[in-house]
Amino acid sequence: DTAVSQTPKYLVTQMGNDKSIKCEQNLGHDTMYWYKQDSKKFLKIMFSYNNKELIINETVPNRFSPKSPDKAHLNLHINSLELGDSAVYFCASSQVGTAETQYFGPGTRLLVL
Amino acid sequence: SQKIEQNSEALNIQEGKTATLTCNYTNYSPAYLQWYRQDPGRGPVFLLLIRENEKEKRKERLKVTFDTTLKQSLFHITASQPADSATYLCALDISGTYKYIFGTGTRLKVLA
Repeated sequence: DTAVSQTPKYLVTQMGNDKSIKCEQNLGHDTMYWYKQDSKKFLKIMFSYNNKELIINETVPNRFSPKSPDKAHLNLHINSLELGDSAVYFCASSQVGTAETQYFGPGTRLLVL
Repeated sequence: SQKIEQNSEALNIQEGKTATLTCNYTNYSPAYLQWYRQDPGRGPVFLLLIRENEKEKRKERLKVTFDTTLKQSLFHITASQPADSATYLCALDISGTYKYIFGTGTRLKVLA
């Protein structure tokens, strides 16, 4: 059973389009994250939700909007995609009280043409 | 400004030797430091956590040290194997938040 899953695994789209990435965790964790890993492999946090509440909101263009319908799901919607949005997006989850040890999904490879 | 630095160059070592990776940080006072492994095309996988009041932590062939005076963590893999080849990331927590900041990673290659 996959602990943290993401869909789709690959996403190729044109500039200006709107797309969504979905994430689900079956670990019973209360905190979920979105990270962006660029071509230089730098992993940068974007958002975090704890019990469906936004707790981390880094300096990210407001074209990116996270949504957590419940504790097990955290989706990422991106409007008006730009070339610079091309990257790998990772979802992760953790449980409060465990020093936020994070469990990552397999990543979504986004390519904007 | 806050900064986390790992060996930017790839590290090549011979099988059976001990690999030592470094993680240096400035302008942080982390309570926790974590090490993750990332294989190509996959998400990072948690390996070890060390707290600020711990000097050393071990797990099988892995050992992590944490020197808050030097602001440095060392990550050791003893009796290294080709299967240990991967990128290793350190991550530090930002006190009082749920946030971890990741280093840029060190690519380790163990040669058979």
